[in-house]
Amino acid sequence: GIQVEQSPPDLILQEGANSTLRCNFSDSVNNLQWFHQNPWGQLINLFYIPSGTKQNGRLSATTVATERYSLLYISSSQTTDSGVYFCAVHTGTASKLTFGTGTRLQVTL
Amino acid sequence: GAVVSQHPSWVICKSGTSVKIECRSLDFQATTMFWYRQFPKQSLMLMATSNEGSKATYEQGVEKDKFLINHASLTLSTLTVTSAHPEDSSFYICSARNYRGYTGELFFGEGSRLTVL
Repeated sequence: GIQVEQSPPDLILQEGANSTLRCNFSDSVNNLQWFHQNPWGQLINLFYIPSGTKQNGRLSATTVATERYSLLYISSSQTTDSGVYFCAVHTGTASKLTFGTGTRLQVTL
Repeated sequence: GAVVSQHPSWVICKSGTSVKIECRSLDFQATTMFWYRQFPKQSLMLMATSNEGSKATYEQGVEKDKFLINHASLTLSTLTVTSAHPEDSSFYICSARNYRGYTGELFFGEGSRLTVL
């Protein structure tokens, strides 16, 4: 099956810093989503982005499907940004979602 | 975005008992729902695909007699963990597609944390 690798696995930032999270996938995909999993486990939809660039406030994402990667940018990080960030790719006729390995982010004061 | 709700959020049960988890799409009809499992500090693993009115499709290695899935209506799918054992303790989370097709965005429920004593 498809492999979805994220980097870095862990990241510690000081409040106000910027960061880039990367998602690499091993095969063609129908679509791609980015999620933030909060400390209670809930998955928050960030972006639904098969290609191109989207922005939402301090967050933006870019997917280059032909090169099989996506990037999530977090600017001016806040403590509430802490948690785990997952990318997930849609594959197959049923468009199942396969999750990446995740990046655990901790933003400190 | 679409709203998906799970119940219960937390459940503790004795070994050998069965536990049912509900997944509801509140403001849309979901022809397809997915069930995932997550162990601590790990990623989410797809367990099965639930299609309204038909049998679920299970991923390799997932026991269908252990994890019973029913998708009887366009807004409700249930996962029953039968004869639960401590190794079944995990975070279970469902998702639903807000589109009558195969490439729509997926939304997730709040998750259900199961502890088997």
